[in-house]
Amino acid sequence: DAKTTQPPSMDCAEGRAANLPCNHSTISGNEYVYWYRQIHSQGPQYIIHGLKNNETNEMASLIITEDRKSSTLILPHATLRDTAVYYCIVRVAIYGQNFVFGPGTRLSVLP
Amino acid sequence: DTEVTQTPKHLVMGMTNKKSLKCEQHMGHRAMYWYKQKAKKPPELMFVYSYEKLSINESVPSRFSPECPNSSLLNLHLHALQPEDSALYLCASSQGLRRGWTEAFFGQGTRLTVV
Repeated sequence: DAKTTQPPSMDCAEGRAANLPCNHSTISGNEYVYWYRQIHSQGPQYIIHGLKNNETNEMASLIITEDRKSSTLILPHATLRDTAVYYCIVRVAIYGQNFVFGPGTRLSVLP
Repeated sequence: DTEVTQTPKHLVMGMTNKKSLKCEQHMGHRAMYWYKQKAKKPPELMFVYSYEKLSINESVPSRFSPECPNSSLLNLHLHALQPEDSALYLCASSQGLRRGWTEAFFGQGTRLTVV
């Protein structure tokens, strides 16, 4: 699985959009980008995943660049409850058996 | 229902004790995982079961013994642990190989303290 690079921490004002970047410059054509978050002392929570098209669900949007070497997770209206560590993971959906977590980005939503 | 249930939520055990952690899911997932997470660190993969067979063991010490008695249950048997094994133990499940793995769903974890 390709490695990912994320900023260690970010702040966002409550009510504003939170844009969390992830670099995955060695991503292969059959690797998906997954996003998880972990609120303090809880299990990781699945957010969204995508291959090459932008994706949106009730929690967030995922924007993947055309060359697929980077992506951005967008929380459109951040709330205090979105304060968490956000993990970007790339893996082969068909043959990859494991989710390998990097250090992630600690997002602090400020009132 | 996307719930993975882990019991107990908290466990304190002595170094000579034997205990077990339990994980249950009813989503029809055929892949189940154990992760270990130390404070302020990301989760680290320990074991993967695929269709009730152990498919990945990340060089975990033998004092941790996984078991998958059926497709809904996953156990982690603990024996002769050390204080440094104190951590949050996370269970997860996902679709298996034949259905493309997809996303994994995690339980809330068992907070283990070894004294």
